Amino acid sequence: DIQMTQSPSSLSTSVGDRVTITCQASQDIGDYLLWYQQKPGKAPNLLIYHASNLETGVPSRFSGSGSGTQFTFTISSLQPEDIATYYCQQYGNIPYTFGLGTKLEIK
Amino acid sequence: EVQLLESGGGLVQPGGSLRLSCVASGLTFSGYAFSWVRQAPGKGLEWVSAIFDTDGTTWYADSVRGRFTISRDNSKNTLFLQMNSLRAGDTALYYCAKDRPSGGFGPWGQGTLVTVSS
Repeated sequence: DIQMTQSPSSLSTSVGDRVTITCQASQDIGDYLLWYQQKPGKAPNLLIYHASNLETGVPSRFSGSGSGTQFTFTISSLQPEDIATYYCQQYGNIPYTFGLGTKLEIK
Repeated sequence: EVQLLESGGGLVQPGGSLRLSCVASGLTFSGYAFSWVRQAPGKGLEWVSAIFDTDGTTWYADSVRGRFTISRDNSKNTLFLQMNSLRAGDTALYYCAKDRPSGGFGPWGQGTLVTVSS
């Protein structure tokens, strides 16, 4: 199985900050990498697919990059509504696997 | 609008069984693959199982293979997850989700809670 190592596990941030989350795959997954946002009590919501493609309707302050084994997710200027937990997921191989998540908190 | 609605969760003793259902609306159900993804209380996401649309091929996480069975009834727009030999570690909110052709899952249902405890 492909292991997804996501960091940091939590991040204390301020509105307007640039936020960066990384995800490392245990083997080459090409660009088969997704990023989800999950707010408390809600199902996850897909933000980015194919490592860098923004899902329709997702604000442009969200972006993703990377390929192979190293990936980055960025929020260019954090907004209050972005407070959530973010997960990466690989879909290059079954079983699909997720990172452990990054919980964003306000300072 | 595509909507997924899970049901069938509840409290069950270790070793027991449950059958989850997920009714889909707003789409041609037979044309899509679907997955079950679970989330233990306060924990992250774990993909559990998938069933493809083209040939009904099924896939399972190692943690549930041999105990869980995914199936679908295209005539009723319904996805199922038969869960046998349940363990405490299976306690989680179980989501059904539509597989997207471009990758990933979406939309998701609201989830149904399975609690395995004596």
